[in-house]
Amino acid sequence: EAQVTQNPRYLITVTGKKLTVTCSQNMNHEYMSWYRQDPGLGLRQIYYSMNVEVTDKGDVPEGYKVSRKEKRNFPLILESPSPNQTSLYFCASSLGPRDYEQYFGPGTRLTVT
Amino acid sequence: QKEVEQDPGPLSVPEGAIVSLNCTYSNSAFQYFMWYRQYSRKGPELLMYTYSSGNKEDGRFTAQVDKSSKYISLFIRDSQPSDSATYLCAMTPIPTDSWGKLQFGAGTQVVVTP
Repeated sequence: EAQVTQNPRYLITVTGKKLTVTCSQNMNHEYMSWYRQDPGLGLRQIYYSMNVEVTDKGDVPEGYKVSRKEKRNFPLILESPSPNQTSLYFCASSLGPRDYEQYFGPGTRLTVT
Repeated sequence: QKEVEQDPGPLSVPEGAIVSLNCTYSNSAFQYFMWYRQYSRKGPELLMYTYSSGNKEDGRFTAQVDKSSKYISLFIRDSQPSDSATYLCAMTPIPTDSWGKLQFGAGTQVVVTP
């Protein structure tokens, strides 16, 4: 089954404790992206990657890191999480240029206390 | 000011009614317009997309784009309880440096009551 998977689905952590949210897709997509979704603000792009080793900042990159060492994986790293990073996070992928259908993962609900 | 504005709702309608959703935007460079549907506790999924101005119909769904007014709409005819979800509009310019970079609205929650 073609899908985007994220782990963990739910995470409660404390301020300053480094964490990684994994994202994997099995569709051989070039493009991958991370979003956060907050009430009233909708989906905002954090980082995106156009291919292996090619990443760029989205609209809200502060406090986040990403890497793309393999085509299928695109982990999101929070080096020192803060309470304002409490949010619902989505990973998405799409085939390539001019393909605007993004396939979203099921989401990771992160709470930072 | 956000580039894409969308009323968050909730919008409650009886089964069988027409659901009317809309978004306004400020960036005249937007050329591709999409509607995503998001069920509770799920990721968004693409419902429809249109390029530039005009209408597009797919079953019970109709998407309209009015670029002169910077206004897009989604209509759902004969609404069903299974249409209860959050609907997000999204848009992007013709791909150059902004390839794949979608701007989303905040989403409108729709509740269709039996």
